[in-house]
Formats: sequence, C-alpha cells, structure tokens
Amino acid sequence: SQQGEEDPQALSIQEGENATMNCSYKTSINNLQWYRQNSGRGLVHLILIRSNEREKHSGRLRVTLDTSKKSSSLLITASRAADTASYFCATSGSARQLTFGSGTQLTVLP
Amino acid sequence: EAGVAQSPRYKIIEKRQSVAFWCNPISGHATLYWYQQILGQGPKLLIQFQNNGVVDDSQLPKDRFSAERLKGVDSTLKIQPAKLEDSAVYLCASSPFDRPGANVLTFGAGSRLTVL
Repeated sequence: SQQGEEDPQALSIQEGENATMNCSYKTSINNLQWYRQNSGRGLVHLILIRSNEREKHSGRLRVTLDTSKKSSSLLITASRAADTASYFCATSGSARQLTFGSGTQLTVLP
Repeated sequence: EAGVAQSPRYKIIEKRQSVAFWCNPISGHATLYWYQQILGQGPKLLIQFQNNGVVDDSQLPKDRFSAERLKGVDSTLKIQPAKLEDSAVYLCASSPFDRPGANVLTFGAGSRLTVL
C-alpha cells in the first residue's frame, strides 16, 4: 500500500509561476523525501527533511513538514519548462525503506 | 561516480513466459531495492536487500517473483510465469548504509515490461 498521497494529482502552470504540491501520510516517520521523475526515466532525489525539521530550502525548492498533521509540501519557485515532471513524496520509517506516494504530474507551460 | 545500471531497458513477452532483470548498484552501496511502478502510480517496494541478505520482501508475490543478490553486489529479479498485470516498469535503486536516518536512493533508468 502507498503511505503518501500527493495533492493535486495534476498541476498545470505558466513558466515563472510557483508550483505547490502537498503530501499526506499515515504513520510516524524518520524523514520525508521528494523525488522527481521525468517521463520514461528513473526517479531523482530532490530534498530530504528530517522529522525534527519544519522547513528546508534547496535552490528553488522549499519543503515544509508538519508532523502533527502528517503532511508536507513542496514549493518550486519561478518554475521553468524543464521542471515538467512527476513529483513523488516518500516516507521513511525505521527500516530504511522508502514508501512512495502516488505522485503529482506537473506541467509548466512556456 | 557511475549510476545504477539496469538491463534490459525494454522487454515484451507473452503471458506465462519468464523474464529476468539485472541491476548493478552504485559501487559501495550496501542496500539495494527493487520497485514496481505501474503506469500512473508511484513505485511500490518489492524487495530490499542489505548486502546479500533480504530485509523486506513482504510485498513480493513469491509464487511468481524471485530475486537474489549474489555476493552483495549485482541483483537479478525474475518473474515466472508472467501475468498481464505484471506489465510495469521495474526500478532498481541503491543507497549507502553508513548514514543513520539518511537513506537517499539513487535509481536506475528502469526496465519496462510489457506482457501480452
């Protein structure tokens, strides 16, 4: 079963706009990660946030984590056409395995 | 650093036939994962190895799927006999073991299986 559920399932924005994706999960976690997947390719790690962290930045990415609500959000600022991809959140418990959500398909229009 | 290598990239078989996928993880990565990704869904963990031992295979359909990791390096995932619902991309990933709480995965490009 999938631990995380992303929202929305699909998002279409104009280049230069910000994109926000949300992830909800069910059980306690050690960390939460976001991955990107371009069409026909493997997943690429974007950012990791630990359970004792509330916010983290990496370049144009900003991730927040609210463990009381069991939710996380990924913000991509000043989006580019090259950001078009599927984005997945993945939660990690004690066994070092990652459980992925169902993903958000982001389309950035030029 | 070389990435995670997988082969074949594409495979088309008839139902009830068998297929095998191969994965070579990043050198030194102790943990290896096989995920199944059905079109439009997120990856689902099939099996996780720590060196050459199995950590978790609870979601592996053991009546038809098998996996091994000889010598704690390369791994092979086999499906026999294949069913139509096995059509998916099979993703291999690896991660180092020496950073507590930080299990960042590096994925291969995947092996796309079509069962007719």
